[in-house]
Amino acid sequence: GNSVTQMEGPVTLSEEAFLTINCTYTATGYPSLFWYVQYPGEGLQLLLKATKADDKGSNKGFEATYRKETTSFHLEKGSVQVSDSAVYFCALTLSGGYNKLIFGAGTRLAVHP
Amino acid sequence: DADVTQTPRNRITKTGKRIMLECSQTKGHDRMYWYRQDPGLGLRLIYYSFDVKDINKGEISDGYSVSRQAQAKFSLSLESAIPNQTALYFCATSDPGTGSEKLFFGSGTQLSVL
Repeated sequence: GNSVTQMEGPVTLSEEAFLTINCTYTATGYPSLFWYVQYPGEGLQLLLKATKADDKGSNKGFEATYRKETTSFHLEKGSVQVSDSAVYFCALTLSGGYNKLIFGAGTRLAVHP
Repeated sequence: DADVTQTPRNRITKTGKRIMLECSQTKGHDRMYWYRQDPGLGLRLIYYSFDVKDINKGEISDGYSVSRQAQAKFSLSLESAIPNQTALYFCATSDPGTGSEKLFFGSGTQLSVL
């Protein structure tokens, strides 16, 4: 079946550290891939997306590249801030017909000053 | 004002009680969704609706029902609540015209079933 696997958290970093959150997927067909972010007490928000192999999504200093050969979509940021503390969800949807998002379990990031 | 509003924000109830969670949106989107979030499991889709006359079961619909009263309103009911329905519930909307993969979420309803 279709699924998304994320690295377990929490991930704890100091401010200005480099961030990587791993995400791999299993899908039939050609999925679109997403990262959503959930700040404390809020709903999820779309952070970035990529719709085909080798595409790079980017937003707010975060980047992720759609790697078909490794079925991965790892999230990276060169220098994290305290305000980046949140839960990050990797997700996929399959093309054709209606779209339903399939989410990973989420990875909590805590950034300390 | 929030574009997707969920009420109540928090609810504590007892096993066997009927509960309704409400969602309203001002985004004008046709598509609406109900998800539940459990620690370590991410978000799972309960029901979704592509318009007022179209309602579909998601991956975990057992024990839940929904009503799409209008384009702007989509409510989730637990007919007889049980403790394993304790979770954080999210309503979301999307607009297929701008890419239906982008969901707009409410702030969630934390439900506790004792």
